Amino acid sequence: EAQVTQNPRYLITVTGKKLTVTCSQNMNHEYMSWYRQDPGLGLRQIYYSMNVEVTDKGDVPEGYKVSRKEKRNFPLILESPSPNQTSLYFCASRPGLAGNTIYFGEGSWLTVV
Amino acid sequence: GQQVMQIPQYQHVQEGEDFTTYCNSSTTLSNIQWYKQRPGGHPVFLIQLVKSGEVKKQKRLTFQFGEAKKNSSLHITATQTTDVGTYFCAGPKDSNYQLIWGAGTKLIIKP
Repeated sequence: EAQVTQNPRYLITVTGKKLTVTCSQNMNHEYMSWYRQDPGLGLRQIYYSMNVEVTDKGDVPEGYKVSRKEKRNFPLILESPSPNQTSLYFCASRPGLAGNTIYFGEGSWLTVV
Repeated sequence: GQQVMQIPQYQHVQEGEDFTTYCNSSTTLSNIQWYKQRPGGHPVFLIQLVKSGEVKKQKRLTFQFGEAKKNSSLHITATQTTDVGTYFCAGPKDSNYQLIWGAGTKLIIKP
């Protein structure tokens, strides 16, 4: 089954404690991205990757890091989480250009206290 | 910068009434996509429109792409409880690798 899998689905953490949200897709997609969703703000892109070892900032990259060492995986790293990073995070993938369908993961609810 | 405005932010309807959400882009779009996010779920692709003036239907859902390819709408006829959720539009940024998203319209069925 084609899917995007992200973990953890739910996490409560403390300010400053590094965490990683993993994302994996089994569709051999070139393009992967991370979004955060906050009430009234819709989906905002954090980082995206057009292929292995190619990443770039989205609209709200501050406080986040990513890496793309393998085509299927695109982890999101919060080196020193802060409460304003409390949000719902989605990983997404698609095959190449922006005209293609995006497949989203189930979402990760992150709370930073 | 390039923007996609989506209105309204919320729409409350009685079951059986119609629902419409509108997207307006500051620039011409090569295509526009629509997604639905159920409460507690993730966005799911509904449809893509590519041609100027294009109209597509999926059962009770009608999607339109404006002649100038700068606006789009989604109309739901005779809403049902299964239609509840947030509807997003998205179009390519100039780079054609990134998408720019509308803020979404939340459809709420009045009890």
